[in-house]
Parts: sequence; structure tokens; C-alpha cells
Amino acid sequence: NAGVTQTPKFRILKIGQSMTLQCTQDMNHNYMYWYRQDPGMGLKLIYYSVGAGITDKGEVPNGYNVSRSTTEDFPLRLELAAPSQTSVYFCASTLDRVDTEAFFGQGTRLTVV
Amino acid sequence: EDQVTQSPEALRLQEGESSSLNCSYTVSGLRGLFWYRQDPGKGPEFLFTLYSAGEEKEKERLKATLTKKESFLHITAPKPEDSATYLCAVQAVEYGNKLVFGAGTILRVKS
Repeated sequence: NAGVTQTPKFRILKIGQSMTLQCTQDMNHNYMYWYRQDPGMGLKLIYYSVGAGITDKGEVPNGYNVSRSTTEDFPLRLELAAPSQTSVYFCASTLDRVDTEAFFGQGTRLTVV
Repeated sequence: EDQVTQSPEALRLQEGESSSLNCSYTVSGLRGLFWYRQDPGKGPEFLFTLYSAGEEKEKERLKATLTKKESFLHITAPKPEDSATYLCAVQAVEYGNKLVFGAGTILRVKS
């Protein structure tokens, strides 16, 4: 089992560019999440999904978009990248509730210059 | 005001020197408190979930406890391989489908 897989692992973007962070899970989990982690701060929830076709905003959604067309995939789209989006991004999943064990991907380190 | 606060920010221990990490929270409708371990360059890895005050869980040298306002992660006779960042997260009724994470405690165990 691969678990939660994120690509790419590293990326440098120029201000104003766009990109999509990919996340896929093979555990048939219904709930999926995107977090960002900044130095000295806890993980902040960007967006989450409770199933295919259903997404909702987290704490820090501005500048991001998501879609969930399948159970397995939950891509995160950055439009018009800004230096404030420099961070490490983690995708996670849980089976069918938020208050259960979450499985995290290895992260994507994004730098916007 | 931070809803989940972890202390200390960093902790250095000698191998075999037991200690505790703290996670305090201010929510009223707790549904679960989670501990995760995060190694450098990796995603968090699940350790424990605690659901009610008085609950305790153990795994190897780690023991997690929960009261109405805080949780402790006790580390007994730590080894260098226990070095990591330990994250606490809270799920509460007022959060809906969200987990709120603390900033973490960076633990370094020296041999």
C-alpha cells in the first residue's frame, strides 16, 4: 500500500505563476485534507473534502482552489502564486470521520520567488 | 488566542532522561485529541487518539494522558531515535470537520 502520495516533492515558482499540487490515496478513504505548515506554526487547514464532488474551505483558503472528482485524488491549485504561499504543503486522508487517525503524504516544499 | 498550545517549544534530553510534553486546549466540546510524530522532511505520523478525560494510551516508551484542559505525552527512558517533532491536534464540536494543530514540540535526545 502506497498510502497518500504527493507530487512534486519540491517546486520553485515565480510570483504570478500557477501550479497544481497532486495528491492521491489508495486506501479508499472518503475524507481528504490539504494543510500548510510554516516554521514555528501548527498545520493550518486549507481545504477539505468529505467525498467525491464535495469540498469545503478550511482556515486559510484564500489563493487556493481544490476539486474532488474521484475518491482517490484531491489536487490543490495555486493561482497567481505569491511569496506568502511559500510553505510546506501536506495532503492527508481519513476513512470516514475527521476524529480518527489521519494518514499524511510526505509533503511538497514550495518556494515562491 | 491560540486554541491549542504546546510546551515547551523545544526540549533536549539525555538518553534515559524521562520527561513530559504538554498540550493545552481551550475548546469546550472536545471530540478527540491526537498526538502525531513528525520526522524532518516527512509528513506527520499518527501516535494516539484520546477521547475523554482520564483516558491513557501507551506505545513503547510513550504514554499519552488526557484531562479536561490538557494532555501530556510522557516519554520514559528516551532513546536518540525518539528525536522528532511531536504535534498535538484537537477535534471539537465547534470545529466541524476540522482539526486544529498546535505548533509542536521539537525533541532532541542525545546519547
